[in-house]
Amino acid sequence: NAGVTQTPKFRVLKTGQSMTLLCAQDMNHEYMYWYRQDPGMGLRLIHYSVGEGTTAKGEVPDGYNVSRLKKQNFLLGLESAAPSQTSVYFCASSYWGSTDTQYFGPGTRLTVL
Amino acid sequence: AQSVAQPEDQVNVAEGNPLTVKCTYSVSGNPYLFWYVQYPNRGLQFLLKYITGDNLVKGSYGFEAEFNKSQTSFHLKKPSALVSDSALYFCAVSPISSGSARQLTFGSGTQLTVLP
Repeated sequence: NAGVTQTPKFRVLKTGQSMTLLCAQDMNHEYMYWYRQDPGMGLRLIHYSVGEGTTAKGEVPDGYNVSRLKKQNFLLGLESAAPSQTSVYFCASSYWGSTDTQYFGPGTRLTVL
Repeated sequence: AQSVAQPEDQVNVAEGNPLTVKCTYSVSGNPYLFWYVQYPNRGLQFLLKYITGDNLVKGSYGFEAEFNKSQTSFHLKKPSALVSDSALYFCAVSPISSGSARQLTFGSGTQLTVLP
């Protein structure tokens, strides 16, 4: 099992450009999550999904959109990138919800110039 | 809203000595509590969790944590530190009553350095 994979690993954007981050999991997990990690702030939840075809807002959803068209994939989109979105983005998945262990991908380092 | 505090940004300990990484939380009702570890340029890895039952939880790599409801704490401990334990440690909390939200709130992280 590959677990949770993320594409790409690194990306540099100019302000105003758009991009999509792809997360894939092969563990048949129902729940998937997108977090951003900034120095001294831990991980903050952007959006999450409790199943195929569903999405919900987390703590910091502004400027991001998500889609979960297939159970194994969770996409994070930036429509018009801003320097404030420079961060490391982590995807995670879990079978159940809050009592269950979350499995994390290796992260995507995004720089917006 | 729930919150997690990790009061120490950095903890240094000599190899072979016991280590403690502190965590306190605030949540409505009873909590689910987790510890995760992050090695450089890697995603987070699960260490241990408290759901219910015994207040002392044992996890991976010889780590354990004690749930203290009166002090709202969940400190991570290990009797004898290894240099390979050097990493960034995150405490996280979720309220039992979160329903379908299933959201974890993470602390800001504590960098543990074990000195040889």
